[in-house]
Amino acid sequence: DGGITQSPKYLFRKEGQNVTLSCEQNLNHDAMYWYRQDPGQGLRLIYYSQIVNDFQKGDIAEGYSVSREKKESFPLTVTSAQKNPTAFYLCASSRNPASHQPQHFGDGTRLSIL
Amino acid sequence: QQQVKQSPQSLIVQKGGISIINCAYENTAFDYFPWYQQFPGKGPALLIAIRPDVSEKKEGRFTISFNKSAKQFSLHIMDSQPGDSATYFCAASRRGSTLGRLYFGRGTQLTVWP
Repeated sequence: DGGITQSPKYLFRKEGQNVTLSCEQNLNHDAMYWYRQDPGQGLRLIYYSQIVNDFQKGDIAEGYSVSREKKESFPLTVTSAQKNPTAFYLCASSRNPASHQPQHFGDGTRLSIL
Repeated sequence: QQQVKQSPQSLIVQKGGISIINCAYENTAFDYFPWYQQFPGKGPALLIAIRPDVSEKKEGRFTISFNKSAKQFSLHIMDSQPGDSATYFCAASRRGSTLGRLYFGRGTQLTVWP
């Protein structure tokens, strides 16, 4: 079955440490997205990418970085500059966002501070 | 600035009752309004969506009502069931947005009591 796989499901970060969240999709979608979810805050866009080797900042990109070296993969790095990283992180993809094709989400990674 | 405002934040309904969640927006360029359903520990999944050329869309027990002049849209869940207990997000996107950027409401946590 096609879908989006996020790993790990749970992740713990020490102070001053960078951590990388994995997102892989086998839906052959061009566009991919990273969201951060906090209780009562909805989904806030961190980064998005339409094609390989191209990505744009969303609303809360500070303290995060991404890469898009392959169509299937869009990893997110939470850097030590992100002072409040505890949240639920969601990756999504879409076939043709310009025609409002739906976004498909993975099951998220919950990041906590040790 | 919250592009899409959603209410209520939480909702408790008895089994068999009607659940109503409301959203409002300001940007008249928005032309696609999806609703997503999220169960605990999972990513959101598209539930139903509407475009502004119709005032209502129904899929089974779920109905979107859309009021273009008031810039409001709502989700109605008829004959609510305990299995409908989840968090619901409304969203909007605008034409000309090549990345299909979705602007999400803050979510409504629905609990349906048996």
